[in-house]
Amino acid sequence: DAGITQSPRHKVTETGTPVTLRCHQTENHRYMYWYRQDPGHGLRLIHYSYGVKDTDKGEVSDGYSVSRSKTEDFLLTLESATSSQTSVYFCAISETPPDTQYFGPGTRLTVL
Amino acid sequence: RKEVEQDPGPFNVPEGATVAFNCTYSNSASQSFFWYRQDCRKEPKLLMSVYSSGNEDGRFTAQLNRASQYISLLIRDSKLSDSATYLCVVNDNNDMRFGAGTRLTVKP
Repeated sequence: DAGITQSPRHKVTETGTPVTLRCHQTENHRYMYWYRQDPGHGLRLIHYSYGVKDTDKGEVSDGYSVSRSKTEDFLLTLESATSSQTSVYFCAISETPPDTQYFGPGTRLTVL
Repeated sequence: RKEVEQDPGPFNVPEGATVAFNCTYSNSASQSFFWYRQDCRKEPKLLMSVYSSGNEDGRFTAQLNRASQYISLLIRDSKLSDSATYLCVVNDNNDMRFGAGTRLTVKP
């Protein structure tokens, strides 16, 4: 299995609070991605990174920001969480697109 | 119209059965295609890539039909351990587009 960890694995928070999710990889892959997965939808891309300090928006980026200060870490921040951001968040890595993406174990976020 | 569409199922089949899933995609310029498997409350994992000429990996066969814009996955001799959700993934100009998945349950 690819060396990808996510933290926290579960989080319950209240509307309006900031939340940061962390993705850490030990594979030295250049590309990192944040997805959310909701019932009835496929995984939807939030943001991705193609190198340190290089990030771009995905399909559902509103309300989210990201940062990548090191190759191994990619952070996803919800500046002010809303109930619509209750979801399962997956981080993924790849060497180059369109190569296989390897996924982390996911973070289950509940916003009350 | 969704970019990648799959029948959500569930497909309930007995052990040993053959089962097939289709997935349609909307962008005729899509470049590469994959099937991922996702177990309940787990992360998706690559099952197989789908090549233009079709490809086989053990009991699994994947086919691509560019003219009709669909890909298929055939599972022969189903095992209990094949129970999972199967995600169709289409690479669309380096954006990976995921279907919502087809749930398969294999019963004894």
